[in-house]
Amino acid sequence: QVQLVQSGAEVKKPGASVKVSCKASGYTFTSYAMHWVRQAPGQRLEWMGWINAGNGNTKYSQKFQGRVTITRDTSASTAYMELSSLRSEDTAVYYCARTNNYYDSSGYLYDAFDIWGQGTMVTVSS
Amino acid sequence: SSELTQDPAVSVALGQTVRITCQGDSLRSYYASWYQQKPGQAPVLVIYGKNNRPSGIPDRFSGSSSGNTASLTITGAQAEDEADYYCNSRDSSGNQVFGGGTKLTVL
Repeated sequence: QVQLVQSGAEVKKPGASVKVSCKASGYTFTSYAMHWVRQAPGQRLEWMGWINAGNGNTKYSQKFQGRVTITRDTSASTAYMELSSLRSEDTAVYYCARTNNYYDSSGYLYDAFDIWGQGTMVTVSS
Repeated sequence: SSELTQDPAVSVALGQTVRITCQGDSLRSYYASWYQQKPGQAPVLVIYGKNNRPSGIPDRFSGSSSGNTASLTITGAQAEDEADYYCNSRDSSGNQVFGGGTKLTVL
């Protein structure tokens, strides 16, 4: 079945970096975009950025620009999210999520997050 | 504005109908999608596009939109529908954005 399996929980010190992996299975990895979304405790979902798994092009939220890097390894059907210069406010569950493309009756293209990873807890603490 | 605004909390009696709304300027141009999130779990897509449900989502879930407001309606709410619900769309730059979430309590 289609699924995304993420790497395990991480504990990091302020100033360090963390790299989270997301292994896809059950579909053609390069045919879909992969996004990263995080959720701090008790807070809303927050979009971080995405990668075109086919050509490797990326786009990041302005909030994380310069600190986040999203990459992929097509041979392993795996996407990665690396966040640097960690601070306590980065403590959150990090999700990878696939977007699927749809067309409405007018031919308008839109997308939605149809598959999510199980989440990876990243704790930043001294 | 690039923000999506949701009521923080809504309650509904078991078996009754509830509407959860999401407001934002971008909804005049982009569809909203809706996600259900239960404690300790990843979000699950429940509505996308004009009013589409993924396979496995009960037909008591439906979506609609008018102007700058998108709505998720649950007709005949069940105990298992108690969860947080998030809307999602695009901002003026085309980036993804989520609403603040609505905590649904089924009484």
